[in-house]
Amino acid sequence: AQKITQTQPGMFVQEKEAVTLDCTYDTSDQSYGLFWYKQPSSGEMIFLIYQGSYDEQNATEGRYSLNFQKARKSANLVISASQLGDSAMYFCAMGDNAGNMLTFGGGTRLMVKP
Amino acid sequence: DVKVTQSSRYLVKRTGEKVFLECVQDMDHENMFWYRQDPGLGLRLIYFSYDVKMKEKGDIPEGYSVSREKKERFSLILESASTNQTSMYLCASSPTLGQMNTEAFFGQGTRLTVV
Repeated sequence: AQKITQTQPGMFVQEKEAVTLDCTYDTSDQSYGLFWYKQPSSGEMIFLIYQGSYDEQNATEGRYSLNFQKARKSANLVISASQLGDSAMYFCAMGDNAGNMLTFGGGTRLMVKP
Repeated sequence: DVKVTQSSRYLVKRTGEKVFLECVQDMDHENMFWYRQDPGLGLRLIYFSYDVKMKEKGDIPEGYSVSREKKERFSLILESASTNQTSMYLCASSPTLGQMNTEAFFGQGTRLTVV
Protein backbone atom coordinates (compact mmCIF):
# COMPACT_ATOMS: atom_id res chain seq x y z
CA ALA A 1 0.00 0.00 0.00
CA GLN A 2 1.09 3.53 -0.67
CA LYS A 3 1.02 6.32 1.87
CA ILE A 4 1.66 10.04 1.58
CA THR A 5 2.30 12.21 4.62
CA GLN A 6 2.18 15.99 4.69
CA THR A 7 3.09 17.13 8.18
CA GLN A 8 2.32 20.85 7.79
CA PRO A 9 -1.42 21.52 8.01
CA GLY A 10 -0.83 25.23 7.48
CA MET A 11 2.04 27.55 6.62
CA PHE A 12 2.62 31.26 6.26
CA VAL A 13 5.16 32.82 3.93
CA GLN A 14 5.99 36.41 3.18
CA GLU A 15 5.33 37.56 -0.35
CA LYS A 16 8.43 37.23 -2.59
CA GLU A 17 10.09 34.72 -0.30
CA ALA A 18 10.63 31.03 -1.03
CA VAL A 19 8.74 28.30 0.80
CA THR A 20 9.13 24.54 1.09
CA LEU A 21 6.15 22.26 1.53
CA ASP A 22 7.05 18.86 2.93
CA CYS A 23 5.96 15.50 1.60
CA THR A 24 7.13 12.05 2.60
CA TYR A 25 5.92 8.82 1.10
CA ASP A 26 5.96 5.12 1.64
CA THR A 27 5.69 2.47 -1.04
CA SER A 28 7.00 -0.97 -1.86
CA ASP A 29 6.92 -0.23 -5.60
CA GLN A 30 10.20 0.31 -7.41
CA SER A 31 8.58 2.51 -10.03
CA TYR A 32 6.25 5.29 -9.04
CA GLY A 33 5.41 8.88 -9.79
CA LEU A 34 5.04 11.84 -7.47
CA PHE A 35 2.74 14.76 -8.17
CA TRP A 36 1.90 18.09 -6.61
CA TYR A 37 -1.47 19.73 -7.06
CA LYS A 38 -2.73 23.16 -6.03
CA GLN A 39 -6.32 23.71 -4.94
CA PRO A 40 -7.38 27.38 -4.69
CA SER A 41 -10.47 28.39 -2.77
CA SER A 42 -12.51 27.91 -5.94
CA GLY A 43 -12.02 24.17 -5.52
CA GLU A 44 -10.45 23.00 -8.76
CA MET A 45 -7.32 20.88 -8.61
CA ILE A 46 -4.44 22.27 -10.65
CA PHE A 47 -1.52 20.05 -11.60
CA LEU A 48 1.83 21.67 -10.77
CA ILE A 49 4.72 19.28 -11.18
CA TYR A 50 5.68 15.62 -11.63
CA GLN A 51 8.72 13.57 -10.57
CA GLY A 52 9.33 10.00 -11.66
CA SER A 53 11.11 7.66 -9.29
CA TYR A 54 13.85 6.99 -11.84
CA ASP A 55 14.33 10.60 -12.88
CA GLU A 56 17.83 11.65 -11.97
CA GLN A 57 17.18 15.36 -12.10
CA ASN A 58 14.82 17.18 -9.78
CA ALA A 59 11.76 18.39 -11.67
CA THR A 60 11.24 22.10 -12.22
CA GLU A 61 8.29 24.03 -13.67
CA GLY A 62 8.69 27.77 -13.57
CA ARG A 63 8.66 28.87 -9.93
CA TYR A 64 7.99 25.32 -8.75
CA SER A 65 10.69 22.77 -8.11
CA LEU A 66 10.58 19.38 -6.49
CA ASN A 67 13.32 18.44 -4.06
CA PHE A 68 13.34 14.68 -4.55
CA GLN A 69 15.37 12.64 -2.07
CA LYS A 70 14.68 9.02 -2.89
CA ALA A 71 16.66 7.48 -0.03
CA ARG A 72 14.71 9.60 2.46
CA LYS A 73 11.45 9.02 0.58
CA SER A 74 10.72 12.71 0.44
CA ALA A 75 9.41 14.88 -2.39
CA ASN A 76 9.21 18.43 -1.09
CA LEU A 77 7.74 21.22 -3.20
CA VAL A 78 9.70 24.45 -3.32
CA ILE A 79 7.92 27.61 -4.46
CA SER A 80 10.26 30.49 -5.19
CA ALA A 81 9.29 34.16 -5.04
CA SER A 82 5.87 33.56 -3.48
CA GLN A 83 2.93 35.52 -4.83
CA LEU A 84 -0.40 36.32 -3.21
CA GLY A 85 -2.06 34.03 -5.75
CA ASP A 86 -0.09 31.10 -4.35
CA SER A 87 -2.36 31.06 -1.30
CA ALA A 88 -4.14 27.71 -1.60
CA MET A 89 -4.19 24.11 -0.45
CA TYR A 90 -1.34 22.01 -1.80
CA PHE A 91 -1.54 18.26 -2.14
CA CYS A 92 1.25 15.78 -2.67
CA ALA A 93 0.21 12.59 -4.45
CA MET A 94 1.77 9.33 -5.59
CA GLY A 95 0.82 7.33 -8.64
CA ASP A 96 1.12 3.58 -8.69
CA ASN A 97 3.41 1.77 -11.10
CA ALA A 98 0.57 1.14 -13.53
CA GLY A 99 -0.05 4.85 -13.78
CA ASN A 100 -3.58 4.47 -12.56
CA MET A 101 -4.46 5.41 -9.03
CA LEU A 102 -3.28 8.44 -7.13
CA THR A 103 -2.84 8.38 -3.36
CA PHE A 104 -3.02 11.83 -1.78
CA GLY A 105 -1.61 13.35 1.37
CA GLY A 106 -3.70 15.38 3.78
CA GLY A 107 -2.69 18.67 2.26
CA THR A 108 -0.96 21.86 3.40
CA ARG A 109 -2.72 25.20 3.43
CA LEU A 110 -0.29 27.90 2.32
CA MET A 111 -1.03 31.51 3.13
CA VAL A 112 1.06 34.23 1.52
CA LYS A 113 1.30 37.47 3.50
CA PRO A 114 1.63 40.80 1.67
CA ASP B 1 -8.20 21.71 -23.17
CA VAL B 2 -9.28 18.68 -21.20
CA LYS B 3 -12.56 19.22 -19.49
CA VAL B 4 -14.02 17.22 -16.64
CA THR B 5 -17.48 18.39 -15.71
CA GLN B 6 -19.43 17.49 -12.62
CA SER B 7 -23.16 17.99 -12.86
CA SER B 8 -23.60 19.98 -9.64
CA ARG B 9 -21.42 22.29 -7.54
CA TYR B 10 -23.67 22.04 -4.50
CA LEU B 11 -26.23 19.44 -3.43
CA VAL B 12 -28.36 19.09 -0.33
CA LYS B 13 -30.04 15.72 0.19
CA ARG B 14 -31.99 14.06 2.97
CA THR B 15 -30.84 11.03 4.91
CA GLY B 16 -31.92 7.85 3.15
CA GLU B 17 -32.22 9.40 -0.31
CA LYS B 18 -30.57 7.83 -3.31
CA VAL B 19 -28.06 10.30 -4.71
CA PHE B 20 -26.43 10.39 -8.12
CA LEU B 21 -23.28 12.40 -8.81
CA GLU B 22 -22.48 12.64 -12.49
CA CYS B 23 -19.14 13.26 -14.15
CA VAL B 24 -18.37 13.69 -17.85
CA GLN B 25 -15.00 14.07 -19.56
CA ASP B 26 -14.51 15.14 -23.14
CA MET B 27 -11.04 13.84 -23.97
CA ASP B 28 -11.64 10.13 -24.49
CA HIS B 29 -9.75 9.22 -21.32
CA GLU B 30 -9.70 5.60 -20.27
CA ASN B 31 -9.38 6.11 -16.53
CA MET B 32 -11.94 7.85 -14.38
CA PHE B 33 -11.95 8.28 -10.62
CA TRP B 34 -14.15 9.39 -7.76
CA TYR B 35 -12.49 10.91 -4.71
CA ARG B 36 -13.86 12.24 -1.48
CA GLN B 37 -12.14 15.23 0.15
CA ASP B 38 -12.36 15.92 3.87
CA PRO B 39 -10.33 18.42 5.91
CA GLY B 40 -7.06 16.95 7.15
CA LEU B 41 -7.61 13.70 5.26
CA GLY B 42 -6.79 14.89 1.77
CA LEU B 43 -8.43 13.07 -1.10
CA ARG B 44 -9.43 9.48 -0.64
CA LEU B 45 -10.25 7.22 -3.55
CA ILE B 46 -13.73 5.75 -3.55
CA TYR B 47 -13.83 3.91 -6.89
CA PHE B 48 -12.08 4.04 -10.19
CA SER B 49 -12.78 2.69 -13.65
CA TYR B 50 -10.29 1.89 -16.41
CA ASP B 51 -12.82 0.99 -19.08
CA VAL B 52 -16.52 0.95 -19.84
CA LYS B 53 -18.38 -1.29 -17.39
CA MET B 54 -15.16 -1.93 -15.45
CA LYS B 55 -14.73 -0.72 -11.90
CA GLU B 56 -12.33 -1.18 -9.04
CA LYS B 57 -12.80 -0.37 -5.37
CA GLY B 58 -10.62 2.30 -3.90
CA ASP B 59 -9.82 2.91 -0.26
CA ILE B 60 -13.33 3.80 0.98
CA PRO B 61 -15.99 2.14 -1.21
CA GLU B 62 -18.45 1.34 1.56
CA GLY B 63 -21.79 3.03 1.05
CA TYR B 64 -21.06 3.89 -2.58
CA SER B 65 -21.44 2.30 -5.97
CA VAL B 66 -20.49 3.46 -9.46
CA SER B 67 -21.62 3.09 -13.01
CA ARG B 68 -19.73 3.52 -16.27
CA GLU B 69 -21.97 2.71 -19.20
CA LYS B 70 -20.17 5.06 -21.60
CA LYS B 71 -16.51 5.94 -21.78
CA GLU B 72 -17.08 9.63 -21.13
CA ARG B 73 -19.41 9.29 -18.14
CA PHE B 74 -18.74 7.99 -14.64
CA SER B 75 -21.47 8.15 -12.03
CA LEU B 76 -21.16 7.87 -8.27
CA ILE B 77 -24.21 6.54 -6.45
CA LEU B 78 -25.05 6.82 -2.80
CA GLU B 79 -27.70 4.14 -2.37
CA SER B 80 -28.98 5.54 0.93
CA ALA B 81 -27.32 8.80 1.86
CA SER B 82 -26.14 9.27 5.42
CA THR B 83 -24.88 12.34 7.25
CA ASN B 84 -21.33 10.95 7.35
CA GLN B 85 -21.28 11.16 3.57
CA THR B 86 -21.44 14.95 3.75
CA SER B 87 -18.26 15.92 1.93
CA MET B 88 -16.66 17.36 -1.19
CA TYR B 89 -16.63 14.86 -4.06
CA LEU B 90 -14.11 15.19 -6.86
CA CYS B 91 -14.15 13.37 -10.16
CA ALA B 92 -10.98 12.95 -12.19
CA SER B 93 -9.86 11.37 -15.43
CA SER B 94 -6.51 10.39 -16.91
CA PRO B 95 -5.69 9.34 -20.42
CA THR B 96 -3.59 6.24 -20.66
CA LEU B 97 -3.01 3.08 -18.74
CA GLY B 98 0.55 2.31 -17.77
CA GLN B 99 2.04 5.77 -18.06
CA MET B 100 3.07 7.11 -14.69
CA ASN B 101 3.88 10.61 -15.78
CA THR B 102 0.40 11.49 -16.87
CA GLU B 103 -1.42 13.71 -14.47
CA ALA B 104 -5.09 13.34 -13.64
CA PHE B 105 -7.51 16.10 -14.59
CA PHE B 106 -10.14 17.06 -12.08
CA GLY B 107 -13.66 18.40 -12.14
CA GLN B 108 -14.66 21.39 -10.08
CA GLY B 109 -16.06 19.28 -7.26
CA THR B 110 -19.52 18.70 -5.80
CA ARG B 111 -20.12 19.75 -2.22
CA LEU B 112 -22.75 17.36 -0.90
CA THR B 113 -24.58 18.01 2.35
CA VAL B 114 -26.78 15.25 3.78
CA VAL B 115 -29.28 16.46 6.35
